[in-house]
Amino acid sequence: KNEVEQSPQNLTAQEGEFITINCSYSVGISALHWLQQHPGGGIVSLFMLSSGKKKHGRLIATINIQEKHSSLHITASHPRDSAVYICAVVNSGTASKLTFGTGTRLQVTL
Amino acid sequence: EAQVTQNPRYLITVTGKKLTVTCSQNMNHEYMSWYRQDPGLGLRQIYYSMNVEVTDKGDVPEGYKVSRKEKRNFPLILESPSPNQTSLYFCASSFVSGGYEQYFGPGTRLTVT
Repeated sequence: KNEVEQSPQNLTAQEGEFITINCSYSVGISALHWLQQHPGGGIVSLFMLSSGKKKHGRLIATINIQEKHSSLHITASHPRDSAVYICAVVNSGTASKLTFGTGTRLQVTL
Repeated sequence: EAQVTQNPRYLITVTGKKLTVTCSQNMNHEYMSWYRQDPGLGLRQIYYSMNVEVTDKGDVPEGYKVSRKEKRNFPLILESPSPNQTSLYFCASSFVSGGYEQYFGPGTRLTVT
């Protein structure tokens, strides 16, 4: 079993829909990252969380440390949101080691 | 402009021919790391560095070497590449550690025949 599991693996949505991507992990962590990988391959950081909730534009990320679960929400989805979304955790034993989920591929259609 | 650069972006080579992929950042970051990305496996950490002359193994270090002689540079060395090292490689940096925002390079697509 992977230390970081994402669901769903693939997601197709229509423009305007509310989207949720889930990330569950089995290890102790000090922080969790949400990353976006564009179709061209580049990776950008969306959020870094250690507790609670963060919002940036139409994106919201939440984390529940007790339940070892995080969610990424996209409100009013748009075709330009089409990308792979990757969850990564920072192991609490070392602040240097990142473990990644395998990603959620999102396609938003008109 | 704050950025992480990698060179080359694409490389096709043959088994056993030593190669180096360079990584450089202009943000004075202390932490740098190398990852490989493979279909179905996602990103996996190869090596990381907390500062100059401080490096450590990630999850998949076999077949790779790194060095950190200067703060801005963190080259990845494949002394004897093999076909199972065909992959997409990313370098990343952050302020202090993995617990800070990560800045990724554009990626290097390596094919070993």
